[in-house]
Amino acid sequence: QLQLQESGPGLVKPSETLSLTCTVSGGSISSSSYYWGWIRQPPGKGLEWIGSICCGGSTYYNPSLKSRVTISVDTSKSQFSLKLSSVTAADTAVYYCARIGGSGSYRIQYWGQGTLVIVSS
Amino acid sequence: QTVVTQEPSFSVSPGGTVTLTCGLSSGSVSTSYYPSWYQQTPGQAPRTLIYSTNSRSSGVPDRFSGSILGNKAALTITGAQADDESDYYCVLYMGSGIWVFGGGTKLTVL
Repeated sequence: QLQLQESGPGLVKPSETLSLTCTVSGGSISSSSYYWGWIRQPPGKGLEWIGSICCGGSTYYNPSLKSRVTISVDTSKSQFSLKLSSVTAADTAVYYCARIGGSGSYRIQYWGQGTLVIVSS
Repeated sequence: QTVVTQEPSFSVSPGGTVTLTCGLSSGSVSTSYYPSWYQQTPGQAPRTLIYSTNSRSSGVPDRFSGSILGNKAALTITGAQADDESDYYCVLYMGSGIWVFGGGTKLTVL
């Protein structure tokens, strides 16, 4: 059974960069059949797709966040990462990593448990 | 910017049937958007219910079904149970590696 686990600081100061890592176990992160993505949920609000990485490192970002987001993958460590720069209080959220199926499905197949990141001085 | 629309809230009686919808601010939802549906209870990660319009994820009861109704994707719960009280999100694949979430529907069973 594939498992994903988010890790990273739970508190980030305004204007700094939020950095999270998702460690994948129970399956290969190298498959080109899947997207590896990040999704967030501000407290009491809905889910928001942040972006994903796929297929030899191709990245896809939510247009509203694109200027601040970088997603990368380290296949040797079976990890992929999220960096969100110039954060504000509005970036406070539970951040989920996920595996998303590719062609013919495009569904979020597996979710991490989520990690709360608070932006505050 | 594409906006995916969902009813903010809905209520259903135990044993009743409810249909939640997922639309686009501009245009119609079709199977080409591979609509999927997720259930989330407080403090938990979402759970996949339906994908590719009408395929049920493993372990999902058959009282959950997906379809296209008119110009929207739809999630129908037949024979609602108390533990169906959750938030439900639809997601549309916009192509080119881009997904968009709907705002979610809070379903009350009472």
